[in-house]
Amino acid sequence: KQEVTQIPAALSVPEGENLVLNCSFTDSAIYNLQWFRQDPGKGLTSLLLIQSSQREQTSGRLNASLDKSSGRSTLYIAASQPGDSATYLCAPQKGNYGQNFVFGPGTRLSVLP
Amino acid sequence: NAGVMQNPRHLVRRRGQEARLRCSPMKGHSHVYWYRQLPEEGLKFMVYLQKENIIDESGMPKERFSAEFPKEGPSILRIQQVVRGDSAAYFCASSPPETLGEKLFFGSGTQLSVL
Repeated sequence: KQEVTQIPAALSVPEGENLVLNCSFTDSAIYNLQWFRQDPGKGLTSLLLIQSSQREQTSGRLNASLDKSSGRSTLYIAASQPGDSATYLCAPQKGNYGQNFVFGPGTRLSVLP
Repeated sequence: NAGVMQNPRHLVRRRGQEARLRCSPMKGHSHVYWYRQLPEEGLKFMVYLQKENIIDESGMPKERFSAEFPKEGPSILRIQQVVRGDSAAYFCASSPPETLGEKLFFGSGTQLSVL
């Protein structure tokens, strides 16, 4: 059974800092891994998807890396902004279709102006 | 193109009552997923449906919970005889038929509170 942990559980940083969010998973036999953002009272929005054969993906100020063999992924946020404040969820996917996502508990990020 | 619509946003029920949660997927999406998020926990998969079919209900509790996605109308998650432990945020997601479920679009959720 896939277990996903995320460290830290919460993080508060001043605006402009670069930061790293960590995700660990126990079963390395994954199809892909996604990072999602969840705003309070809202649903999830997909940020980045990394296929199992890839090492990283970039979108704007976001960069996600994947080390499948060690069961780790990191989300790097450059030059953080108050608008980045949200909960970030890591979700390895073991096969096709949405029932195969296993979501981590999330890292709650606050970026202070 | 409206996003995934869930209603109600907030639902309060007393123990023993029934809760009905609705989800209208994005236009053109034929796959619907329901997830539950308990306080301080990650989202847990409950059920995967296509029109008129339950594809995977391995995450659904065996009793009191049921789901449907009729040919016409929204998908419904139904919880009978609710208990306090059912209090959670329930999210619906949809995906288009041409993908393999990698691209999920989430609704804003229904917060169920059981008194």
